[in-house]
Amino acid sequence: GAVVSQHPSWVICKSGTSVKIECRSLDFQATTMFWYRQFPKQSLMLMATSNEGSKATYEQGVEKDKFLINHASLTLSTLTVTSAHPEDSSFYICSASWRGRSGTQYFGPGTRLLVL
Amino acid sequence: LAKTTQPISMDSYEGQEVNITCSHNNIATNDYITWYQQFPSQGPRFIIQGYKTKVTNEVASLFIPADRKSSTLSLPRVSLSDTAVYYCLVGDSGSARQLTFGSGTQLTVLP
Repeated sequence: GAVVSQHPSWVICKSGTSVKIECRSLDFQATTMFWYRQFPKQSLMLMATSNEGSKATYEQGVEKDKFLINHASLTLSTLTVTSAHPEDSSFYICSASWRGRSGTQYFGPGTRLLVL
Repeated sequence: LAKTTQPISMDSYEGQEVNITCSHNNIATNDYITWYQQFPSQGPRFIIQGYKTKVTNEVASLFIPADRKSSTLSLPRVSLSDTAVYYCLVGDSGSARQLTFGSGTQLTVLP
């Protein structure tokens, strides 16, 4: 149980375009979803926390207009990288949790974004 | 916000027991301690979680002293496939506390 999927698994796009990444909890209802970014050889950096039906809470230094997060249902959250630039190239990982689950997050497989 | 500190790297040999310790001096009363394993280009995978004392599952054990300011992940009889980065995370997403990954520990298992 507790499976989280992400789509796409990798994407290559031109600079200036927008890219949408989907995160789905397949067998549970996620009251909270998290979005992380990970650069090579580095740890995961939390970008934002998203609760179903409410606006996402962004970490300091993460531009909310650049990284649009929507958590429209208990099983789906999306991250849209708007006007992507080469410096946005990274590994994006989502995770999901539910209230009362004592801090356990279940992670998706990640999405590799390459902006040319 | 509970900050964690782990060794950057550890080496071991196949068949040995590996213990990775994580320090979390400012752990809060409601915080749980969770360990994850991450392979390159994959999302982290849940290994084990605990609140106090000892927890054991089919892949690992977690030892937490009474003051809860540290925890030790124990992997029995590691194999080459256990080579990965291991992260400890302290928090309680149920209360929407922000969860920060530390640097993690790169475990390399040698033949």
